[in-house]
Amino acid sequence: DTGVSQDPRHKITKRGQNVTFRCDPISEHNRLYWYRQTLGQGPEFLTYFQNEAQLEKSRLLSDRFSAERPKGSFSTLEIQRTEQGDSAMYLCASSLATGSQDTQYFGPGTRLTVL
Amino acid sequence: DAKTTQPTSMDCAEGRAANLPCNHSTISGNEYVYWYRQIHSQGPQYIIHGLKNNETNEMASLIITEDRKSSTLILPHATLRDTAVYYCIVGARGGSNYKLTFGKGTLLTVNP
Repeated sequence: DTGVSQDPRHKITKRGQNVTFRCDPISEHNRLYWYRQTLGQGPEFLTYFQNEAQLEKSRLLSDRFSAERPKGSFSTLEIQRTEQGDSAMYLCASSLATGSQDTQYFGPGTRLTVL
Repeated sequence: DAKTTQPTSMDCAEGRAANLPCNHSTISGNEYVYWYRQIHSQGPQYIIHGLKNNETNEMASLIITEDRKSSTLILPHATLRDTAVYYCIVGARGGSNYKLTFGKGTLLTVNP
């Protein structure tokens, strides 16, 4: 399978704990995106990387959230001191941004439940 | 990005064509129309996109009106596995136009 992969698929944690999610994009894709989706809503943009550079962060991304893409390949999203409001599906997408292409392909998501 | 308006839900009989409408009356000249779908508890799946010409691929057809203010996604022979939330999204491509703005989409239910 050469699609976007995410790990873990499900995470249950207690309030106040830190969690980290991983995303492996499609090989050679230079852009990587993180979205969050709560129940009954469409996905909302959080942040994106062009290669290893984080170029945009949504105001939804509080200072408890941090994302990295150290070598321009996989990315991690860490949430510190989790709150119940962080419970959501965290989606990763990647794209090959060229002059004529920029279609985003999504992974299966990581479902976070904060107790 | 221009906003889109979609019906909340639609039903379709298995084997029939499903026609999903989308209004995007404030679309700009450089903005594309994208369609994604999301099957329950999975990530969104890219279906098709277009600028002004009609497009067809192995999954669906996209019909964009001449004034580009609305479009229709057509699934020619709907199956039970096509039951999903379908999102119509408008946005420019490339450069700093990097994020997809999802609405609530249309829940398409394909009935046997």
